[in-house]
Amino acid sequence: EVQLVESGGGLVQPGRSLKLSCVASGFTFSNYGMNWIRQAPGKGLEWVAYISSGSSYIYYAETVKGRFTISRDNAKNTLYLQMTSLRSEDTALYYCARQLPGYKGVMDAWGQGASVTVSS
Amino acid sequence: DVQMTQSPSNLAASPGESVSINCKASKSISKYLAWYQQKPGKANKLLIYSGSTLQSGTPSRFSGSGSGTDFTLTIRNLEPEDFGLYYCQQHNEYPPTFGSGTKLEIK
Repeated sequence: EVQLVESGGGLVQPGRSLKLSCVASGFTFSNYGMNWIRQAPGKGLEWVAYISSGSSYIYYAETVKGRFTISRDNAKNTLYLQMTSLRSEDTALYYCARQLPGYKGVMDAWGQGASVTVSS
Repeated sequence: DVQMTQSPSNLAASPGESVSINCKASKSISKYLAWYQQKPGKANKLLIYSGSTLQSGTPSRFSGSGSGTDFTLTIRNLEPEDFGLYYCQQHNEYPPTFGSGTKLEIK
């Protein structure tokens, strides 16, 4: 069974940093591109970042470019999102999601999300 | 970025009925549209991609149609487990962008 489990969320002050992790199981993690998507409270889904299977290709939403860094450790089956200079508008549930092979931007498996609250 | 406009925002229907949800892109996205289902306490589920291709495990009562800028998700013979939130998302170009969602409720 494919499983994606996010962790590392919490309450953080504006301007501070936080690092999310997503541990994958049930599939060969190193063969798949991965994404982070977020959902602000009561709002819709917003794509945040993508990393290819071998980390050669990385893309970011303009809203997080320069502040967030996506990375992965294929030996540990783990995806990361390093978030710096956090703002109140970054408050959201952050999902990691697996990309359907051959279909850019299609997420075929999602985690349950990690909650991030940016507030003083 | 491609803007996705989804309608209606809310929809109420009874089990056994059919419903349609519409999604309009701000420019042509060819056939590259996906539909997702979101339910409380469950992982988001990919239903359809490339406009009309059913993801493995998606029941055949779900269907997708459209191309260019206008797309439709149709659910026939609604089952109780179909109620929830539905999002469209274009996957033609980066960044992938989502519609604002449609809440499908039991009448």
